[in-house]
Amino acid sequence: GAVVSQHPSWVICKSGTSVKIECRSLDFQATTMFWYRQFPKQSLMLMATSNEGSKATYEQGVEKDKFLINHASLTLSTLTVTSAHPEDSSFYICSARVRQDDGYTFGSGTRLTVV
Amino acid sequence: GQSLEQPSEVTAVEGAIVQINCTYQTSGFYGLSWYQQHDGGAPTFLSYNALDGLEETGRFSSFLSRSDSYGYLLLQELQMKDSASYFCAGLRDSNYQLIWGAGTKLIIKP
Repeated sequence: GAVVSQHPSWVICKSGTSVKIECRSLDFQATTMFWYRQFPKQSLMLMATSNEGSKATYEQGVEKDKFLINHASLTLSTLTVTSAHPEDSSFYICSARVRQDDGYTFGSGTRLTVV
Repeated sequence: GQSLEQPSEVTAVEGAIVQINCTYQTSGFYGLSWYQQHDGGAPTFLSYNALDGLEETGRFSSFLSRSDSYGYLLLQELQMKDSASYFCAGLRDSNYQLIWGAGTKLIIKP
């Protein structure tokens, strides 16, 4: 089945630094990648939708200059959290649509802790 | 607006059957999906209903009624490993985004 590989699975960084999260589609081409953030015991919140070769579309309230998304190829999308603050600590998950009736496949998630 | 509502928590006994309901207020949904998420893990796809009716996949079944804006996930022969959070999600037809419910935590007792 379709697999999205997400790295790193967890990261601890200092306030003010930047962190890059990568999602690779291993056996299919992901023209669209969705980026989510999930706080403990809450639902997934869509942050942005990235399309290969074009600018990402950000949801209302998500700072595009803080959460930089790059989707330069059909198999790689990255999310960079710039100038991270403790309130950015969360579980970040990427997801790609494989086929409409097969649902979406998710990366394993990245737990970010900013200290 | 678009929203999906589901119970926050459901408790059941091992070996039993449990139904998790999802009601939604929206237009423009292609269909309704269900995902399972264990603590600390990413969601995994369970089922998708594009049409009204029942979809069966092993111990899991999902139902959709568009006229009632209602769906449910049915889990049979519950096992302890089924303890997880279950999310219903609507597939938005304009851009293929998923709109998520708040999730239902399923607690299974021996």
